[in-house]
Amino acid sequence: DQQVKQNSPSLSVQEGRISILNCDYTNSMFDYFLWYKKYPAEGPTFLISISSIKDKNEDGRFTVFLNKSAKHLSLHIVPSQPGDSAVYFCAASAWTGNQFYFGTGTSLTVIP
Amino acid sequence: DGGITQSPKYLFRKEGQNVTLSCEQNLNHDAMYWYRQDPGQGLRLIYYSQIVNDFQKGDIAEGYSVSREKKESFPLTVTSAQKNPTAFYLCASSAQGQGRGQPQHFGDGTRLSIL
Repeated sequence: DQQVKQNSPSLSVQEGRISILNCDYTNSMFDYFLWYKKYPAEGPTFLISISSIKDKNEDGRFTVFLNKSAKHLSLHIVPSQPGDSAVYFCAASAWTGNQFYFGTGTSLTVIP
Repeated sequence: DGGITQSPKYLFRKEGQNVTLSCEQNLNHDAMYWYRQDPGQGLRLIYYSQIVNDFQKGDIAEGYSVSREKKESFPLTVTSAQKNPTAFYLCASSAQGQGRGQPQHFGDGTRLSIL
């Protein structure tokens, strides 16, 4: 029962262009969402988060958009850089809950 | 330099053996977690602990055990009852419980393989 889904296993983008990574969730109780970045043989590192009271959060080149009615969030990276090549996981939790639910990840390749 | 240390990075287990994966953090975080990652799957929660001497089962706790005797340490034992232990194991910590708006910090993982 996958409550958080990342339907694109991989994505390739040219350097300098926009990368858009998508994530869908099914549990309407989720109200806090995060994106993590993971390099091979390393643990995930926190990238950016958004709470359900917002529909957008920016941090430098990274912007997360939340569409609660569609139960959809996306991560935009502009401009994309080769160092952004990694696996990106989205995660969600409910304020009343005690755990995060992770998507299966999207492998981003930024082509120089 | 604060962080989470998992050891060993690679671990091999014979059939029928128990093995213990170490996780230590010096971030002064109250909450700690163990996840398992399999190819093509997201991170799945095995156990978590929000305070010393207390822990709860996650979604896939069968065949695993934990202890939380110290705030900075949360070892995971993979018992012989775990029928498919080969996986990448990640330990994480956070300042508060997961559902409280705090991101988790992860270690670099331990890859467990069966000989």
